[in-house]
Amino acid sequence: DVKVTQSSRYLVKRTGEKVFLECVQDMDHENMFWYRQDPGLGLRLIYFSYDVKMKEKGDIPEGYSVSREKKERFSLILESASTNQTSMYLCASSWTGGTEKLFFGSGTQLSVL
Amino acid sequence: AQSVSQHNHHVILSEAASLELGCNYSYGGTVNLFWYVQYPGQHLQLLLKYFSGDPLVKGIKGFEAEFIKSKFSFNLRKPSVQWSDTAEYFCAVNSRNSGYALNFGKGTSLLVTP
Repeated sequence: DVKVTQSSRYLVKRTGEKVFLECVQDMDHENMFWYRQDPGLGLRLIYFSYDVKMKEKGDIPEGYSVSREKKERFSLILESASTNQTSMYLCASSWTGGTEKLFFGSGTQLSVL
Repeated sequence: AQSVSQHNHHVILSEAASLELGCNYSYGGTVNLFWYVQYPGQHLQLLLKYFSGDPLVKGIKGFEAEFIKSKFSFNLRKPSVQWSDTAEYFCAVNSRNSGYALNFGKGTSLLVTP
């Protein structure tokens, strides 16, 4: 089975801190994605990547950056955490192409105080 | 702008009732359409998808969806729901124009009562 592992299930950070969310997949997928999930808003795409060192902005990239130095790892960085970034963060990966399904991690519930 | 709309935010049904969840999209060109489900405390998982061929697609657990191109719709159906179908359901769309990044609707929370 494909495994998408997010490093933390719960995180509590202070406003202004730099936050790193890590995601690793074990199926050699080309595509990786970061979404945030908020009640009533569904999943919103933050950033995605089609290959190592490549990144594309999603719908809500402001306040976030990403890093993909290795194919299996896709990191989301909150440069200076703010309370409105309190959310559930979901990482996903897939094979290349638009018809492939996404495999999701368990999510990281981030609280910014 | 490209968007995905799910009409119902909360649905409550009794067991054995029929289910239909609406999904409409606003995209140009050829699209790929998906329904994902998130059971309480679990990962999102794929229910079914459509990208070509028969517009009526069947997925896991007795779910099906029909792609109606003229209506830009991809509604999810199940003839008889069970208590175990209680979950959140997300419609999602991608296209070549969007770089194949998957765009999700806001979700429908389904509660099935015994």
